[in-house]
Amino acid sequence: QVQLQESGPRLVKPSQTLSLTCTVFGASISSGGHYWSWIRQPAGKGLEYIGRVFTSGSTRYNPSLKSRVFISVDSSKNEFSLRLVDVTAADTAVYYCAREATSGSNWIDSWGQGTLVTVSS
Amino acid sequence: SDELTQPPSVSVSPGQAARITCSGDGLLKQHVQWYQQKPGQAPVLVIYKDSERPSGIPERFSGSSSGTIVTLTISGAQAEDEADYYCQSSDTSVPVIFGGGTKLTVL
Repeated sequence: QVQLQESGPRLVKPSQTLSLTCTVFGASISSGGHYWSWIRQPAGKGLEYIGRVFTSGSTRYNPSLKSRVFISVDSSKNEFSLRLVDVTAADTAVYYCAREATSGSNWIDSWGQGTLVTVSS
Repeated sequence: SDELTQPPSVSVSPGQAARITCSGDGLLKQHVQWYQQKPGQAPVLVIYKDSERPSGIPERFSGSSSGTIVTLTISGAQAEDEADYYCQSSDTSVPVIFGGGTKLTVL
């Protein structure tokens, strides 16, 4: 059974860069067959898709965040990472890493537990 | 991108059927998934490809589709089903889009 674990700083100052890493257990990123994704959820609000990376390193981002987001993969460590630059208080949220099916329907079949990142000075 | 519209809240009595709808123009072409999220927890996939149920999800969860409206039905809702439910689909600009979520109350 695949498990995902987010790690990284929980407090980020405005205008700085939010960086998170997701370590995957029980599945190999390099085996293909899935995308590896980031999703966030501000407190009391809904889910927002940030973007995804494939084992090849190809990415796709939500256009609303595209200019500030970078997602990368390190198959040797079986992990993938999120960088969100120039953050503001509006980026405060629980950030989830997740596994996304590569079929046309793009469902999320596994989620990390989520990590709360607060943007504050 | 396409929008997915859900009612903010649905209430049912225990044992009754709970129906949560999700509507969007893009649903004519794309499948829909449903996720259950309990407070403080990550979402859990309960329906994919409109009506498929992942292993481990109780049979009382089912999905259906009619035109631009899809419905999640919980037959015989139980107290443990009280949660937020999100529909999810795709469009050409964003591979994953979520509805605004529906809070299901079982009382």
